[in-house]
Amino acid sequence: DAMVIQNPRYQVTQFGKPVTLSCSQTLNHNVMYWYQQKSSQAPKLLFHYYDKDFNNEADTPDNFQSRRPNTSFCFLDIRSPGLGDAAMYLCATSKSGTSGVTDTQYFGPGTRLTVL
Amino acid sequence: QKEVEQNSGPLSVPEGAIASLNCTYSDRVSQSFFWYRQYSGKSPELIMSIYSNGDKEDGRFTAQLNKASQYVSLLIRDSQPSDSATYLCAAERGGKLIFGQGTELSVKP
Repeated sequence: DAMVIQNPRYQVTQFGKPVTLSCSQTLNHNVMYWYQQKSSQAPKLLFHYYDKDFNNEADTPDNFQSRRPNTSFCFLDIRSPGLGDAAMYLCATSKSGTSGVTDTQYFGPGTRLTVL
Repeated sequence: QKEVEQNSGPLSVPEGAIASLNCTYSDRVSQSFFWYRQYSGKSPELIMSIYSNGDKEDGRFTAQLNKASQYVSLLIRDSQPSDSATYLCAAERGGKLIFGQGTELSVKP
């Protein structure tokens, strides 16, 4: 089945220790997104890739970086995690038409990050 | 004013009743709207998408869109305890989803 896969599902890291979260998709979607979601809050968009074009949200901290080496994979790097970065990190994908309007976003299962 | 607003809830309905979830949006540029269901500790799951004014039905779920009033709703008929979750309304704008804060629904047996 076509799907969005995130690894690991649970990640524990120490304060200040870099961590990388991964996302892969078999949907062949050209747009990939990274969201941060804290308890009882809506998902907050961090970045998205439109094909290879990287788009950073204005309020995404510099501590967060992303890479998309190919269509199927996308990584979220947190260079120096702080206690406030503990959250669920969600990867999503969608298909964009020639008009630039994107179709439905499909979410992966998420990675729960704990910072000690 | 938030771009997408939902009743914060929690909304509690008895099993078998109709649950009505409401959402308003501020940007008339948005043309596509989505309802996601999110169980505690899980990722959002698409329930319905709607693009045109009027009603769209899928099983027990009906989405309604009124672009003139900038209003989107989701009706859940014959509510089941398994429908207990947070429901997120989202408006598409410029390739991004603008989410509401979510409405927590509790269906009591």
